[in-house]
Amino acid sequence: ILNVEQSPQSLHVQEGDSTNFTCSFPSSNFYALHWYRWETAKSPEALFVMTLNGDEKKKGRISATLNTKEGYSYLYIKGSQPEDSATYLCAYCMNRDDKIIFGKGTRLHILP
Amino acid sequence: NAGVTQTPKFRVLKTGQSMTLLCAQDMNHEYMYWYRQDPGMGLRLIHYSVGEGTTAKGEVPDGYNVSRLKKQNFLLGLESAAPSQTSVYFCASSYVGAEQYFGPGTRLTVT
Repeated sequence: ILNVEQSPQSLHVQEGDSTNFTCSFPSSNFYALHWYRWETAKSPEALFVMTLNGDEKKKGRISATLNTKEGYSYLYIKGSQPEDSATYLCAYCMNRDDKIIFGKGTRLHILP
Repeated sequence: NAGVTQTPKFRVLKTGQSMTLLCAQDMNHEYMYWYRQDPGMGLRLIHYSVGEGTTAKGEVPDGYNVSRLKKQNFLLGLESAAPSQTSVYFCASSYVGAEQYFGPGTRLTVT
């Protein structure tokens, strides 16, 4: 069974502060790592797809890094805003033609 | 483009009834997926398809069947619904190895 672990489960951050959270995945075989943002009552939306060790991706105030050798990815949010409140999911894919496995997510709450 | 659509949006079933959920995508994606979302469990993959005419089991396939007769459609069937299948069901599609696009979800209650 492939385990994709995300930590922490839940996080409260003051508006304006920066934060980060972790996704851990098996390091033995790797094809891609996805990050999704999931707002309450909506559907998940893709943030990043990362495939190379050392990859860094950025979209506005959100960025992500990838370490495939040790099996982890970090998601960073700079200067948190209320609209950043959401669940952030990572998903791991072992092979090109294989399914992707989602972690349980990190629930981020931005405090005004 | 409509993206990924799901039919119906809501459904209430009695135990033992059957139903089919329809997912349609207009992006010419090869891959399609069915997930269920339960509190504290995140998204769990039920079945997926890597192309027309193909299907494969995910993490929680028991009690569900799927078919992909046309590239743009992916059907999820419940032959004999059980209360444990009360959930929100999401369909998604993607190109090979690319990000997934999700439908709006179907809320199913089995009484």
